[in-house]
Amino acid sequence: DTEVTQTPKHLVMGMTNKKSLKCEQHMGHRAMYWYKQKAKKPPELMFVYSYEKLSINESVPSRFSPECPNSSLLNLHLHALQPEDSALYLCASSQETGGVETQYFGPGTRLLVL
Amino acid sequence: KNQVEQSPQSLIILEGKNCTLQCNYTVSPFSNLRWYKQDTGRGPVSLTIMTFSENTKSNGRYTATLDADTKQSSLHITASQLSDSASYICVVSVVTTDSWGKLQFGAGTQVVVTP
Repeated sequence: DTEVTQTPKHLVMGMTNKKSLKCEQHMGHRAMYWYKQKAKKPPELMFVYSYEKLSINESVPSRFSPECPNSSLLNLHLHALQPEDSALYLCASSQETGGVETQYFGPGTRLLVL
Repeated sequence: KNQVEQSPQSLIILEGKNCTLQCNYTVSPFSNLRWYKQDTGRGPVSLTIMTFSENTKSNGRYTATLDADTKQSSLHITASQLSDSASYICVVSVVTTDSWGKLQFGAGTQVVVTP
């Protein structure tokens, strides 16, 4: 199984809503990532969970909060988002083998904030 | 300044024709370089991955080349198909113990294949 799954595929939410994005992988990878991608731009790294340690991109606002319930799951909790947060949110996981690290991306959640 | 530059920004080609995409990078020390294909609204899918000691890697109709001396890579698509329409992203991996900034993404080349 070389798949990273993300739910939901699409999400529309208002600025006062609370929602969560979910990501799951069963490849035994010990690092998982959240990226934000605007149209025609490369993905921007938001959070990294590596061996249960969280690294945060300091430019990411606090209305985004990650949670890692276990090594296979990574959630992204959303609260009081702004319209400019509308984007494709990508989850990825990685494992280093033979000195080469390969990231596997999920299909993404397309988020629209109204 | 972005450390991974891709060209062209976009490309329109006729079905059945070949095309070549370019990637120049300045990141150092370099670990590996990979090309991803990303369909609109979907996650990137890995096409090829090359370490600094590899010069070429093929995956079906996709062939990637790497010149670690000039820090250039190319992705060649042979006999293009309509399903090749996508964004192609060059990603360079930096040698570092810090998870942050380990991957440097290019902005991508948008390829449109027309009948």
